[in-house]
Amino acid sequence: GNSVTQMEGPVTLSEEAFLTINCTYTATGYPSLFWYVQYPGEGLQLLLKATKADDKGSNKGFEATYRKETTSFHLEKGSVQVSDSAVYFCALSDRGNTPLVFGKGTRLSVIA
Amino acid sequence: GAVVSQHPSWVICKSGTSVKIECRSLDFQATTMFWYRQFPKQSLMLMATSNEGSKATYEQGVEKDKFLINHASLTLSTLTVTSAHPEDSSFYICSASPDSGGHSSYNEQFFGPGTRLTVL
Repeated sequence: GNSVTQMEGPVTLSEEAFLTINCTYTATGYPSLFWYVQYPGEGLQLLLKATKADDKGSNKGFEATYRKETTSFHLEKGSVQVSDSAVYFCALSDRGNTPLVFGKGTRLSVIA
Repeated sequence: GAVVSQHPSWVICKSGTSVKIECRSLDFQATTMFWYRQFPKQSLMLMATSNEGSKATYEQGVEKDKFLINHASLTLSTLTVTSAHPEDSSFYICSASPDSGGHSSYNEQFFGPGTRLTVL
């Protein structure tokens, strides 16, 4: 079945540091890939997405590229801020109206 | 963008009582909605797929008689936790995808803000 593996947290960075959160997936066919962010006490918000190979999703300085050859969708940001502290989930969906398959989440703490 | 709401946002109840959580798609229709459960510091676990006009599909290990799902319309699904116990305390999140008529390959789901249930 489909699965998502993302790096274990927590990740603690200083403000303005470079961020990478690794995500790899296993799926049949060509899934769509997502990064969701969850701030403390809140629900999930879509951060960015990519629907086909070599697509790059980007939002709020975050970006991730759909790499079919390595089945990866790593999240990166060049300079993190304290306000980026949250839990980040990598997810996939192989077709419309099917539930997302989530990774376990990576907690990011950014300190000033 | 599409908006999904949940009500209530938090609820505290006594053991043995039932709690109903509503999930609404505010500006789109959704034949299918999903219910997830999230334990502290853990990922989301799919509980069930809610289908308008038919019975919900439950994931293995989820008690269908305890977690009653009703998809009353194309914009509303409800999850009722019956005879709640402290171990049911959790964060419950719903999501929905806009109906696309089967022609879209775009699979984005929109999440509600979640409902925190505490059973005393």
